[in-house]
Amino acid sequence: DTGVSQDPRHKITKRGQNVTFRCDPISEHNRLYWYRQTLGQGPEFLTYFQNEAQLEKSRLLSDRFSAERPKGSFSTLEIQRTEQGDSAMYLCASSPQAGGGTGELFFGEGSRLTVL
Amino acid sequence: AQSVTQLDSQVPVFEEAPVELRCNYSSSVSVYLFWYVQYPNQGLQLLLKYLSGSTLVKGINGFEAEFNKSQTSFHLRKPSVHISDTAEYFCAVRGFTGGGNKLTFGTGTQLKVEL
Repeated sequence: DTGVSQDPRHKITKRGQNVTFRCDPISEHNRLYWYRQTLGQGPEFLTYFQNEAQLEKSRLLSDRFSAERPKGSFSTLEIQRTEQGDSAMYLCASSPQAGGGTGELFFGEGSRLTVL
Repeated sequence: AQSVTQLDSQVPVFEEAPVELRCNYSSSVSVYLFWYVQYPNQGLQLLLKYLSGSTLVKGINGFEAEFNKSQTSFHLRKPSVHISDTAEYFCAVRGFTGGGNKLTFGTGTQLKVEL
């Protein structure tokens, strides 16, 4: 399978705990994106990387959130001191660099977080 | 910045009937437009996209959409729906320049196909 892979698919945690999600993009894609989707809403942009550089962060990405892509391949999204409002589906997507692709994002299956 | 409005949160339709899901966008620059489908507890799958050229674009599963620049719309249509089309549909927009390939999504339309 050469699609975008996310792990874990489901995570249940208690308020105040830290959680980390991993995303493995399509291998030849150098752009990687994180989105958050809450119930009944569309995906909301959080951040994106070009190779290992984090080029843009949304204001939704509070200081409890941190994303990394240390070697320009897989990425991690960590949420510290989780709150019930963090409960959502966290979606990862990848794409070729603009000019080399058709503009679409390729999404993973998502990681669903439930904070009790 | 770009934004997308999907006016209908839910659209019920009988099987084999036609359907139209509405999408309007706002942007100060030229845009690319996309429709994605999401089945329960899954990620998003691309249905179709408009980048340039013909304003009528055809996608997978018999869906098509028409780009209308003057009305800033990109409505999704299917002439005859199937029960398996029941899903959430998202319209998305990206500006020609800046922001990588970042997409801005609408709030989605739940299509429910009934027998």
